[in-house]
This record gives sequence, C-alpha cells and structure tokens, in this order.
Amino acid sequence: SQQGEEDPQALSIQEGENATMNCSYKTSINNLQWYRQNSGRGLVHLILIRSNEREKHSGRLRVTLDTSKKSSSLLITASRAADTASYFCATDAASGGSYIPTFGRGTSLIVHP
Amino acid sequence: EPEVTQTPSHQVTQMGQEVILRCVPISNHLYFYWYRQILGQKVEFLVSFYNNEISEKSEIFDDQFSVERPDGSNFTLKIRSTKLEDSAMYFCASSTTGGTEAFFGQGTRLTVV
Repeated sequence: SQQGEEDPQALSIQEGENATMNCSYKTSINNLQWYRQNSGRGLVHLILIRSNEREKHSGRLRVTLDTSKKSSSLLITASRAADTASYFCATDAASGGSYIPTFGRGTSLIVHP
Repeated sequence: EPEVTQTPSHQVTQMGQEVILRCVPISNHLYFYWYRQILGQKVEFLVSFYNNEISEKSEIFDDQFSVERPDGSNFTLKIRSTKLEDSAMYFCASSTTGGTEAFFGQGTRLTVV
C-alpha cells in the first residue's frame, strides 16, 4: 500500500511550543501533501511538496521530504490553541495515469493554551 | 477563494434506501474524487473521475456505488441500497490535474439507521 503513516498518533503540547509530525511511506511518490482536519470538519490543504523538493515553507509551517528514507515531516512553529486538529499526510499513488492522494491515520495534535 | 461545496451537510436515511450525495467541484478542476471517513478512522479513497469516466476505484467502491457528472458543475455519488456500515463522512475533492493539490469539501455526514 502506498499510504503514508503518521507518527506520533497523538501529540500534546503547550501554546508557543513547536510541533513536529512525521510521515513515512512505502514506495516512490510524485508528491506528498499535508492536510489539517478539525474535529468533524473537512480536510484543509496545507502544503504540497514534490519528490524533487527537500523543504518547503508556508507561514509557520515547514515541511521536509527525504525520499531516500521515504519520510516527511511537518513542523508547526510557535503553536497556537487554534492549531489543535488532526494532521494527515497524503501520498499519491500513480496508477494508469491518475494520481490518487492516499491518506494515513493522522496525528492528533492538542495545543494547550 | 474557490472552494468545493457539498450538499447536504448531514443526511439520515433508512437502511436499504438510495442516497445521492452532491458536490460542486472547483470550476476549472478536471479531476474529481470521493473519499469516506468512518468515525474515528482514516480517510479512505473511493473513486476518482476524469474526462467523464471513472479513472480509479477502490475495493470499497462496489456495485452499490456509482458516480455521475450530470452537468458541467455537479459531481454526485449514489449509494443504491444503503447499509448500516455506510454511515460515515463522505468527502468530495477536486484538483486541476493529477498530481496537484486536491481540495476537499466540508463533507456530508451520512447516517444510516
């Protein structure tokens, strides 16, 4: 299976601290995407990183990709209570010319005010 | 900002009934997807749709499921005879092309009783 697997499953931190979540996957990818999901809500796209990229930034988010280790990390700096959510990585599974984002189980992040 | 919209937000149906979940993808997007998320579990791929036909489907997407793009804007998922285990959040997503950011709707919570 191509799906990414996030680690840790749950993370609890204090506001202002940094949060790091990791994603590992099994086979070669074209790109990897990170999403956020607030409880009972939809998936919000955060960032896409391509297989030829090593690092990408967006505001307080920093994503790295190590294709040799088949892993990615999402760093949220200076976390806020509003960052409390589940975070998912999705790797594409190129098949017959179509690219299917395939999700892992997610990391549940709680940021305490 | 363009977004994927889904209706209804919540649907309750009797077991054995047919349901149609509706989605309006982002207007210039060409790839469309349906996913589901059973409560507390991961987001699972159901089907992808491109150029007016199914491009990929998962094992979950059996004969009870069908998708349609009845006009230039709507993208629907039909479940012919619902079962209790079909209760889940159903997410529609779209992307400009394969391998680019996939944007998700807020989801339809389907409850089968």
